[in-house]
Amino acid sequence: EVQVVESGGGLAQPGGSLRLSCAASGFTLSSHWISWFRQAPGKGLEWVANIKEDGSLTNTVESVKGRFTISRDNTKNSLYLQMNSLRVEDTAVYYCAIDTGACINRICYDAYGIWGQGTRVTVSS
Amino acid sequence: AIRMTQSPSSLSASVGDRVTITCRASQGIRNELGWYQQKPGKAPKLLIYAASSLQSGVPSRFSGSGSGTDFTLTISSLQPDDLATYYCLHDYDYPRTFGQGTKVEIK
Repeated sequence: EVQVVESGGGLAQPGGSLRLSCAASGFTLSSHWISWFRQAPGKGLEWVANIKEDGSLTNTVESVKGRFTISRDNTKNSLYLQMNSLRVEDTAVYYCAIDTGACINRICYDAYGIWGQGTRVTVSS
Repeated sequence: AIRMTQSPSSLSASVGDRVTITCRASQGIRNELGWYQQKPGKAPKLLIYAASSLQSGVPSRFSGSGSGTDFTLTISSLQPDDLATYYCLHDYDYPRTFGQGTKVEIK
């Protein structure tokens, strides 16, 4: 069965750190771009960061730049999000999502076809 | 950052109705847009990519159209299982941004 499972969420104090993990089974992560998304309580979805298949390129939303780092270990079929200097506004459910690839006429589009169930991060004193 | 504006923010329709949700980008994004369905308490699910391509396994009552700045998600015949919030997401440049969501309720 193809699935991804996030872990590492929990309660952190403002200024603290957490490391989220996303483990894949049933398929190989190394062939895919992967993103982290988040959803604050009662709010909409927000893209946080993504990483290229081989880890050589990353992109991050401005609000977390310098604080969050996305990385991957293809030998472990896993993705990570290191979150430092956490703020109350980082409180959210964090999802990893796999870009399963959709190329039409040699143009490739984002197509996040596989999502984890999410892991909850609460930043509070 | 490109701003994505969805409308309406919520709607209520009857089973069998045709439902249309629109998404407008603050600048042209060609056809680099996807639509996602999120049921309460669940992760999002991909419905449409490249503005109009149906993801494998998604019922054919869902369709997408548009290019440039204006996009539409249509549910041709609303079903009880379609109770969800729907989001557009552009992939034209970074940062990727979502519309604010459209909550679909069944009358």
